[in-house]
Amino acid sequence: AQKITQTQPGMFVQEKEAVTLDCTYDTSDQSYGLFWYKQPSSGEMIFLIYQGSYDEQNATEGRYSLNFQKARKSANLVISASQLGDSAMYFCAMKETSYDKVIFGPGTSLSVIP
Amino acid sequence: KAGVTQTPRYLIKTRGQQVTLSCSPISGHRSVSWYQQTPGQGLQFLFEYFSETQRNKGNFPGRFSGRQFSNSRSEMNVSTLELGDSALYLCASSSGNSIATNEKLLFGSGTQLSVL
Repeated sequence: AQKITQTQPGMFVQEKEAVTLDCTYDTSDQSYGLFWYKQPSSGEMIFLIYQGSYDEQNATEGRYSLNFQKARKSANLVISASQLGDSAMYFCAMKETSYDKVIFGPGTSLSVIP
Repeated sequence: KAGVTQTPRYLIKTRGQQVTLSCSPISGHRSVSWYQQTPGQGLQFLFEYFSETQRNKGNFPGRFSGRQFSNSRSEMNVSTLELGDSALYLCASSSGNSIATNEKLLFGSGTQLSVL
């Protein structure tokens, strides 16, 4: 069964607007970590932001923030003030204590329009 | 700190050949994980090496193998290449604390393998 779901295969956003990329996950662990990665066309996966399951506050890193709703098992990435350089694939990932591999969702392709 | 280094960046091989890809992790990191990325299957975990031992393995045939050296550098090998092996192969390094849920993977730029 798919453990991480990203329901938006492709998204468009106007430059300088905010955009939310959806991620839902499935786990029975109480302790787990959630990650977002960006993959530009060059191929490298770039770590963006981390949220721990016990963190009470939503994580923020510059223009990136994570809207973490534990009861709904969702960890949406919010990018504020989109820039042309934000055009890329975005992957949600999870690491559980009971399963020591990091697993990735299918990704969302984001295109920023000038 | 130098990042994760993968070589070569691009490879073109023909069916039946074998290929070796290399990954040098970040200094001090002892874990190297390998992923295969294709448009149809997304990111799939191949295997992880920690302190020269394979610690985890994904669901790939035995044609895919790897090893890790004492300096933590890792190689993966694919024998008897098939057309379906065409993919971006990414390696990622981490300190290797398997129970830490906050340990992020740091990736290299990948090796783009094309099998003709």
